[in-house]
Amino acid sequence: NAGVTQTPKFQVLKTGQSMTLQCAQDMNHEYMSWYRQDPGMGLRLIHYSVGAGITDQGEVPNGYNVSRSTTEDFPLRLLSAAPSQTSVYFCATRRGDGISTEAFFGQGTRLTVV
Amino acid sequence: AQSVTQLGSHVSVSEGALVLLRCNYSSSVPPYLFWYVQYPNQGLQLLLKYTSAATLVKGINGFEAEFKKSETSFHLTKPSAHMSDAAEYFCAVSRGGSYIPTFGRGTSLIVHP
Repeated sequence: NAGVTQTPKFQVLKTGQSMTLQCAQDMNHEYMSWYRQDPGMGLRLIHYSVGAGITDQGEVPNGYNVSRSTTEDFPLRLLSAAPSQTSVYFCATRRGDGISTEAFFGQGTRLTVV
Repeated sequence: AQSVTQLGSHVSVSEGALVLLRCNYSSSVPPYLFWYVQYPNQGLQLLLKYTSAATLVKGINGFEAEFKKSETSFHLTKPSAHMSDAAEYFCAVSRGGSYIPTFGRGTSLIVHP
């Protein structure tokens, strides 16, 4: 099993460009989420999903869109990139059968907006 | 609301010394608690978790953590640090009604030879 796969691993965007960060999982987990990691800020939740067709906002949702049409995929869209979105992005999944279950993380996407 | 506080953004120890990384939580109900480790340029991976079965939890790589309800703490310890333990460590908490765990800001462990 591949687990949680994020693509691309690295990306450089110009201000105003759009792009989609991909996240795919093969563990059949109900819960999926996107975090951004910035120095001194830890992990901040952007958006999350508790199942196909259901998404909700996290702590820092502005500038990002998500959708969840299948259990396996949870893409994160940046419609108009800004330098403040320079960060490392992590996708995580979790089983939905209890709050004691741990999260599984992808390897991250390092995004630079110039 | 639930939150997690990790005391100290950086902890520096000598190889062979005790490792102590602090985590305090605030939760109105008994929480589930986790420690994750992040090695450079990698994602987070689970180190250990507390789910109320036992207050002393043993994890991978010789780490353990003790849940202390009276102190609302879940500190991570290791008797003897190795160079390979140098990484970022995150404490996280989840409880009923919350689908997604809340993470602390992380503590960077530096191990000196």
